[in-house]
Amino acid sequence: DIQMTQSPSSVSASVGDRVTITCRASQGISSWLAWYQQNPGKAPKLLIYGASSLQSGVPSRFSGSGSGTDFTLTISSLQPEDFATYYCQQANSFPLTFGQGTRLEIK
Amino acid sequence: EVQLAESGGGLVNPGGSLRLSCAASGFIFDNAWMSWVRQAPGKGLEWVGRIKSESYGGTIDYAPPVKGRFTISRDDSKYTLFLQMNSLKTEDTAVYYCTTDLNHSGDFDDWGQGTLVTVSS
Repeated sequence: DIQMTQSPSSVSASVGDRVTITCRASQGISSWLAWYQQNPGKAPKLLIYGASSLQSGVPSRFSGSGSGTDFTLTISSLQPEDFATYYCQQANSFPLTFGQGTRLEIK
Repeated sequence: EVQLAESGGGLVNPGGSLRLSCAASGFIFDNAWMSWVRQAPGKGLEWVGRIKSESYGGTIDYAPPVKGRFTISRDDSKYTLFLQMNSLKTEDTAVYYCTTDLNHSGDFDDWGQGTLVTVSS
């Protein structure tokens, strides 16, 4: 199985800050990577697919990059609604696997 | 607008069975690959299994922890996805989400609100 490791596990930031979350795959997955946002008590929401493609309706302050084993999700200017938990997911091979999540908290 | 509505969750004894349903609307269900993803209380996300569309052979893949115990099926005429869960274990306790993969790319475009399955005596 491909292990997905996110860092940090949690981060505190302020509105307007730029935040970067990292995801590392235990083996190469090309660009088969997605990012999700989950608010408490809600279903996850797809933000980024194909490592860098923005899902329709997602604000442009979200961006993704990387290929192979190392990936990043960047939020350019944090808004109040962005404080949530973020997950990466590899879509390269079965079983499909997620990172453990990164909790983004208000400082 | 894509809508997914799961139902069928509840409390079940270890070793018991439960069948979840997911009613879909707002897209061409026949063409969609569909997955179940679960989330144990306070934990992260775990993929359970996926069924491709009939045009892709209806191939089904499962995560190792559920293979042999869970069965995914679909009724395209009723726009409904199913998850039959047998031999349930306490570690199967989770919110179960129905998801779409409309682009056949292995990620999860849309999610239902989830249904809670609790396995406990």
